[in-house]
Amino acid sequence: DAGVIQSPRHEVTEMGQEVTLRCKPISGHDYLFWYRQTMMRGLELLIYFNNNVPIDDSGMPEDRFSAKMPNASFSTLKIQPSEPRDSAVYFCASSAGTRNQPQHFGDGTRLSIL
Amino acid sequence: TQLLEQSPQFLSIQEGENLTVYCNSSSVFSSLQWYRQEPGEGPVLLVTVVTGGEVKKLKRLTFQFGDARKDSSLHITAAQPGDTGLYLCAGAPPDDKIIFGKGTRLHILP
Repeated sequence: DAGVIQSPRHEVTEMGQEVTLRCKPISGHDYLFWYRQTMMRGLELLIYFNNNVPIDDSGMPEDRFSAKMPNASFSTLKIQPSEPRDSAVYFCASSAGTRNQPQHFGDGTRLSIL
Repeated sequence: TQLLEQSPQFLSIQEGENLTVYCNSSSVFSSLQWYRQEPGEGPVLLVTVVTGGEVKKLKRLTFQFGDARKDSSLHITAAQPGDTGLYLCAGAPPDDKIIFGKGTRLHILP
């Protein structure tokens, strides 16, 4: 079975540019989570969806961040405009059943904003 | 705000030694999950514990959930270089979403 697929794996861009991260969850999973991981703050939940509907976006740092899930097999996390402090590894994860079931993570997107 | 504290933050030991890492909170959890993350990859689930006092074994790894369901420990017997990684615990509160600890970064020296 295919796991959670994220793209790109690495992204390097200049401050002020728009960044779009993509995620394909495991087929049949009805929960999708976006996380950001840094050494200082660990793994932080940004937003999660249930059946394509955003449920909790309280972790989104500011209005520069937005996330969408247009269908059950695709989600995007967008940063516009990007800033150097956004540099981190961004993970997408999916789960089935309830929001607290074990999560399956993608391999992440390492984002560097210069 | 619910917090999960993991200790130690870093641990470097020789191959063959035993070790225990901890995950503590003042909050009660319905369940607790342990994940391992290797460099360049996402976290991978190792085990879920649900019942207070529960002990689960995965080869040389032993996981225990505290009686009050507020804490957990992971014990590794005869550590091997392949055990190197970041160990994350994640607690599921009864009425809220999962929270992750910051992890214990484990390095096993050959």
